[in-house]
Amino acid sequence: ETGVTQTPRHLVMGMTNKKSLKCEQHLGHNAMYWYKQSAKKPLELMFVYSLEERVENNSVPSRFSPECPNSSHLFLHLHTLQPEDSALYLCASSQVVSYGYTFGSGTRLTVV
Amino acid sequence: QQQVKQSPQSLIVQKGGISIINCAYENTAFDYFPWYQQFPGKGPALLIAIRPDVSEKKEGRFTISFNKSAKQFSLHIMDSQPGDSATYFCAASASNTGKLIFGQGTTLQVKP
Repeated sequence: ETGVTQTPRHLVMGMTNKKSLKCEQHLGHNAMYWYKQSAKKPLELMFVYSLEERVENNSVPSRFSPECPNSSHLFLHLHTLQPEDSALYLCASSQVVSYGYTFGSGTRLTVV
Repeated sequence: QQQVKQSPQSLIVQKGGISIINCAYENTAFDYFPWYQQFPGKGPALLIAIRPDVSEKKEGRFTISFNKSAKQFSLHIMDSQPGDSATYFCAASASNTGKLIFGQGTTLQVKP
């Protein structure tokens, strides 16, 4: 493990379901991020949290709702997703915003 | 202007050969240029990074070459090994923006 743990590793959900992805970092970092990784596309930054405050929302649809209750935990709440939202969702953390990201292993999400 | 363009998309190298992956950027505010390595089923892992005040950085078999005037940087893997087979991403960010922008990735296969 890299120090950033994501659960679940795999998730299959229907378009009407509500689910949450969880990320926990054990590195004492101050910033946490959600990225989306789709096949043949660059990693897409979704959200940035610095010291538990959201500092970046990269034009993400409202069906994705992040939550950062403390500097060690980050959630991504999902509802009424579309099939095109199927992807690998990666959480990362860093000591300082922008530098030295440590990624988790990701959650493979399939929307059916 | 926020893009980082990476090439080639895929690369096949014989064991012992040199693997070269190139990236180009437009935003002159970028001041941090990392390379990440990703194996199947894992999140990206930081491999090596450089700042624009140096033209080259070497760590073991991995070297970053940086050309500030051309706004290009590249990863060289010397004595490539089958265990180096993975997807490599270049990235760039500007200080305190909270945005690490990734290239599209290069899938490297090192043949025994």
